[in-house]
Amino acid sequence: QKEVEQDPGPLSVPEGAIVSLNCTYSNSAFQYFMWYRQYSRKGPELLMYTYSSGNKEDGRFTAQVDKSSKYISLFIRDSQPSDSATYLCAASMDTGRRALTFGSGTRLQVQP
Amino acid sequence: EPEVTQTPSHQVTQMGQEVILRCVPISNHLYFYWYRQILGQKVEFLVSFYNNEISEKSEIFDDQFSVERPDGSNFTLKIRSTKLEDSAMYFCASTPGLAHQETQYFGPGTRLLVL
Repeated sequence: QKEVEQDPGPLSVPEGAIVSLNCTYSNSAFQYFMWYRQYSRKGPELLMYTYSSGNKEDGRFTAQVDKSSKYISLFIRDSQPSDSATYLCAASMDTGRRALTFGSGTRLQVQP
Repeated sequence: EPEVTQTPSHQVTQMGQEVILRCVPISNHLYFYWYRQILGQKVEFLVSFYNNEISEKSEIFDDQFSVERPDGSNFTLKIRSTKLEDSAMYFCASTPGLAHQETQYFGPGTRLLVL
């Protein structure tokens, strides 16, 4: 059972575009949702986290969780070439201390 | 800014050999984790560790794996008898584990190649 699914991309956008990255999940017990950015052969870098449903904004990044449809989104405004990376969504049960279940990642390329 | 560190960055070993991967979690963090990522695949959870004992583990974390916090700063993953399929990137992570401070911060990883 694929608990967290992501479109692997690659997604190519011009600089300045709004990027929408999405995940779906199947486990209703997931409560914490995170987005990580991973550059090639590096460790995942935490971008955003949200608890349960709702929106959270941090600078150019907005994370959305819709638990009714089991849908997780990350929006990037005014995308920059430095945003080119693989974006991983992750989810955990109860709290963020529990094991994270990752999606396969979406590779994003922002063209200058 | 504090960060998780891992050593070595790369490790090559022969099948059947024991390897120890080392991590220094962020100071004052209470929960520690190991994940792995086989090339081209998802990041997978292996084990979590709190208060000197395993708090959660996956099916991957079988008897050939063990974890230890030998002192106040290091956290290690031992693979007793490596197999070809153990070749992967191994990530250590840590979190404060306090209310509203539960996000996991990852290290840069150790690339393990088993020949």
